[in-house]
Formats: sequence, C-alpha cells, structure tokens
Amino acid sequence: QVQLQESGPGLVKPSQTLSLTCTVSGGSISSYGYHWSWIRQHPGKGLEWIGYIYYSGSTYYNPSLKSRVTISVDASKNQFSLKLSSVTAADTAVYYCAREKGYSFDLWGRGTLVTVSS
Amino acid sequence: QSALTQPASVSGSPGQSITIPCTGTSSDVGSYNLVSWYQNHPGKAPKLMIYEGSKRPSGVSDRFSGSKSGNMASLTISGLQAEDEADYYCCSYADNRIVVFGGGTKLTVL
Repeated sequence: QVQLQESGPGLVKPSQTLSLTCTVSGGSISSYGYHWSWIRQHPGKGLEWIGYIYYSGSTYYNPSLKSRVTISVDASKNQFSLKLSSVTAADTAVYYCAREKGYSFDLWGRGTLVTVSS
Repeated sequence: QSALTQPASVSGSPGQSITIPCTGTSSDVGSYNLVSWYQNHPGKAPKLMIYEGSKRPSGVSDRFSGSKSGNMASLTISGLQAEDEADYYCCSYADNRIVVFGGGTKLTVL
C-alpha cells in the first residue's frame, strides 16, 4: 500500500532554511486527484497546515507562512519537498507529509521532529 | 485565516456518547461541506476519521459520526471505549483553496 516517509535534518540553526523531503512508496505521486501536503505540529500544540502541491506543480500555501515556504515535487523520484526559510525557534515542530484528496488528509507519514537551535 | 474553534477538552464514561463541536465561519465550515476529523494519539500520526462532513473511511468504526449545521461541525463518538482517548482535530477547506485546522480537543475516557 502507499506509504509516506519524511527525511531531513533534525536540527536547523536560526535564520537558516529548513529542508525536508517526503518519499512516496507503493504508489505514484502523479496519481490523479491527489495533492501532496505538509502539516506541522508544535510541541504540545495543534496541527497547522503549511501547504500542498499537485504533481503538475501547482502550489497553495498557508497565508501566514507563504513568504517563507516553497513546496516542490520531483515526480521522477516520487518525492516532494518542503523548504522553510529564515527559521526561528517558533518553527520547532514535528513536520508531517500527507496525501490530500477532497481537502481531507487520508494518508500521513510518521512525522519528523525538527528543532531550531544554535 | 483563523483556526477553527474547538473546546480544549471533553470527557465521558465508557459506553456513553460525546460530541465535539467545531466552530468556523462563513468562509470555511459554513460554505463548504468539506470538514474532516482526525484522531491523534500521542506520538503517532493523525488518523482520518471523517471526511466531507459525515463520511467514514474504510475501516473506521461506525461509532464515529460527523454532522454540520451552519458554521458549526460536530464529531460524535458513541459507545465510548478506552482506546478512543486521544486528541481530535477538525479541519475545513476555506476560501482561496486553503485549509484550516481546529485547535484540537483532548478526549478523556473516565
């Protein structure tokens, strides 16, 4: 079955760029009708939608993060990626990649903790 | 876009029913039948429980049901079981193709 797996550094310095990749296995990232999303959860807090991308490259971002976020897709590798620039301690969170269809998220990765600290 | 509003906590005894409300606005919950609900056990990835307001994914117990009235959506869990204890989040499509989550509700099974 389709699985998602996040990967990337667990520690990022303040002011630098956070970069994560989500690898899709067991299915194609080009499957019709799915968006591929990033969602984060601050420690002990709720979920925050970051944005999503369609395999064709169309992107939609949370307005509160839009100026710092870039989501891209590499269909040849069956991966999509997140870049968040100018990070601060407030960006410390568990980052999830997820598959979205009809604006609900039916499949999630296990999540990866990213800590912003010098 | 503001987060959807949920109570911080609810509780119930085994076998009872509970309802978790999720209040939005006319820009999200009120205008679209695209509310979803997620169960989140600590340390685990969230799990989709309800989509499009009231539909259950395959494998989700029929003890979970969703509804909507105006700007408010609700998740009802009937026949509470110990394993239902978790955090629950509502989520809605909103204007301009964005998504908003609720702040989450901690369900305690007494």
